[in-house]
Amino acid sequence: ETGVTQSPTHLIKTRGQQVTLRCSSQSGHNTVSWYQQALGQGPQFIFQYYREEENGRGNFPPRFSGLQFPNYSSELNVNALELDDSALYLCASSLDGNYGYTFGSGTRLTVV
Amino acid sequence: DQQVKQNSPSLSVQEGRISILNCDYTNSMFDYFLWYKKYPAEGPTFLISISSIKDKNEDGRFTVFLNKSAKHLSLHIVPSQPGDSAVYFCAARGFGNEKLTFGTGTRLTIIP
Repeated sequence: ETGVTQSPTHLIKTRGQQVTLRCSSQSGHNTVSWYQQALGQGPQFIFQYYREEENGRGNFPPRFSGLQFPNYSSELNVNALELDDSALYLCASSLDGNYGYTFGSGTRLTVV
Repeated sequence: DQQVKQNSPSLSVQEGRISILNCDYTNSMFDYFLWYKKYPAEGPTFLISISSIKDKNEDGRFTVFLNKSAKHLSLHIVPSQPGDSAVYFCAARGFGNEKLTFGTGTRLTIIP
């Protein structure tokens, strides 16, 4: 079975721009969660999608938005990028939101 | 408000000895706890978990202990091997809650 794949692996954007990060969930998984990991911190929950609907959100502003597609892949969109958005963005998939989360390797976003 | 705390940023252990990583939490609604291991440039990998109805769970060289009254859990690795050198994250989840709350991680270095 394939694991969770994320693209791109690295990205540099300018403050004020918009970015889209992509995630392909593990085969058989229908739930996708996104996390932001700043340097020296643990991952912070952004939101989760279950069967194409957002079913949970962390303490992130509305300029962080997402989508889940019928094949359960997902996108994370961030508008009006700020310097503090520089971080590693991790995608995790699971079956029905159960505890067996599988994480991707992440996208390293740098905002300059 | 750091609900999951890993107070030791780093730990060095001799190969073959026991590694003990600690984690404290403040939210009494957490009912499931997980340990993840992370290598550089990779996503977190699930190691072992424990439900709040148990006080111990073993999987090979890894054992997790949960002390609910103290709101404390620990991960024991014995014997420690060089491949165990990584950052270890403690994570917690509440019943019916979709998100994982992570600690800030402990960097474990196994000295040959």
